[in-house]
Amino acid sequence: DAMVIQNPRYQVTQFGKPVTLSCSQTLNHNVMYWYQQKSSQAPKLLFHYYDKDFNNEADTPDNFQSRRPNTSFCFLDIRSPGLGDAAMYLCATSRDRDRGREQYFGPGTRLTVT
Amino acid sequence: GESVGLHLPTLSVQEGDNSIINCAYSNSASDYFIWYKQESGKGPQFIIDIRSNMDKRQGQRVTVLLNKTVKHLSLQIAATQPGDSAVYFCAENINQGGKLIFGQGTELSVKP
Repeated sequence: DAMVIQNPRYQVTQFGKPVTLSCSQTLNHNVMYWYQQKSSQAPKLLFHYYDKDFNNEADTPDNFQSRRPNTSFCFLDIRSPGLGDAAMYLCATSRDRDRGREQYFGPGTRLTVT
Repeated sequence: GESVGLHLPTLSVQEGDNSIINCAYSNSASDYFIWYKQESGKGPQFIIDIRSNMDKRQGQRVTVLLNKTVKHLSLQIAATQPGDSAVYFCAENINQGGKLIFGQGTELSVKP
């Protein structure tokens, strides 16, 4: 089945230690998104790639970076995690920008910062 | 800033009853309004959307109503089942662009 895969499902990192979360998709969708979701809150968009074009949200901290080496993979890098970065990180895709209302989400990676 | 929000954080219904989940929005420029369902331990899942020039759209067991006069969106689930237990988010999509802005969720609990 075509899907969005996130690895790992659970990640523990130390305060200030760089961490990378990964996402892959078999849907061949043009757009990939990264969201941060804290407990009992709505997902908050960090940035998205339309093909290779990176689009950052204005309020996304510089501590968060992303890479998309090819259509299938996208990475979220947190350069110096703080305690406030503990959250669920969701990757999503959409077929194209004009279909952004219908996004396909992965199961998420739950990040713990110790 | 502009936002999409929900009236009720939790909703408990009896299995077989109909459920109504509400959402208030503030951005009149949205092209589409969408409902997502998020089950525990999973990512959100698209349920149904409605274009801003419509006031009602029906899917399988679900109906979305849009009242632009009072900027209100609702999701009706008919014959609610235990599998409907989840957090439901409304979201808006502006200018058919790629971005979604999510509102605060409502947790739906279905009692057997």
